[in-house]
Amino acid sequence: QAVLTQPSSLSASPGASASLTCTLRSDITVGTYSIYWYRQKPGSPPQYLLRYKSDSDKQQGSGVPSRFSGSKDASANAGILVISGLQSEDEADYYCMIWHTSVAVFGGGTQLTVL
Amino acid sequence: QVQLQQWGAGLLKPSETLSLTCAVYGGSFSGYYWSWIRQPPGKGLEWIGEIKHNAITNYNPSLKSRVTISIDTSGNQFSLRLSSVTAADTAVYYCARDIDGSIDSWGQGTLVTVSS
Repeated sequence: QAVLTQPSSLSASPGASASLTCTLRSDITVGTYSIYWYRQKPGSPPQYLLRYKSDSDKQQGSGVPSRFSGSKDASANAGILVISGLQSEDEADYYCMIWHTSVAVFGGGTQLTVL
Repeated sequence: QVQLQQWGAGLLKPSETLSLTCAVYGGSFSGYYWSWIRQPPGKGLEWIGEIKHNAITNYNPSLKSRVTISIDTSGNQFSLRLSSVTAADTAVYYCARDIDGSIDSWGQGTLVTVSS
């Protein structure tokens, strides 16, 4: 079982909100980890969006708008990236990441379509 | 604003050694970890490893036996060597800066193709 699991794709409408999930393997607990989120557009390197551990321990990437935010769902053992006010430019691949046993581990990515 | 510029051979034969270098401009070199990450065509991201300015390294166990990351603090550069490459090592390789776990700055990427 992969350490981090993301849905392969998600579609949402312009102006709406999208919630991208990152589910941790059952033997590791989301509350222990900071969840990092990245956005990647075709042909470009990933862009750091934010880090979320808790409401009192989080960091927004430089220049990243506040409509990108993080949260967790402890019952689902998952980190969540919420994008509000979706724009066409938000169409991209989104990756979550954690540091697990001193190794950076990425999820498989979610392709977000805005239509 | 830090900028990372990377270079290296883009076409290798199986069993050869991949070698890439990344130069850091416009920011402090010390105090950070400097990382290598790769992405096979059409696939997700894989962290290879990282090095701190004092040459302490940390590697992905899945690649550790073949990877060496080194640093040249005088030249603000760090390098990746991956030995005994196969077609499975074909990927875009990125250098990047790690600040307290946040990989916040990335190089432009180098496509490395392994083919006989």
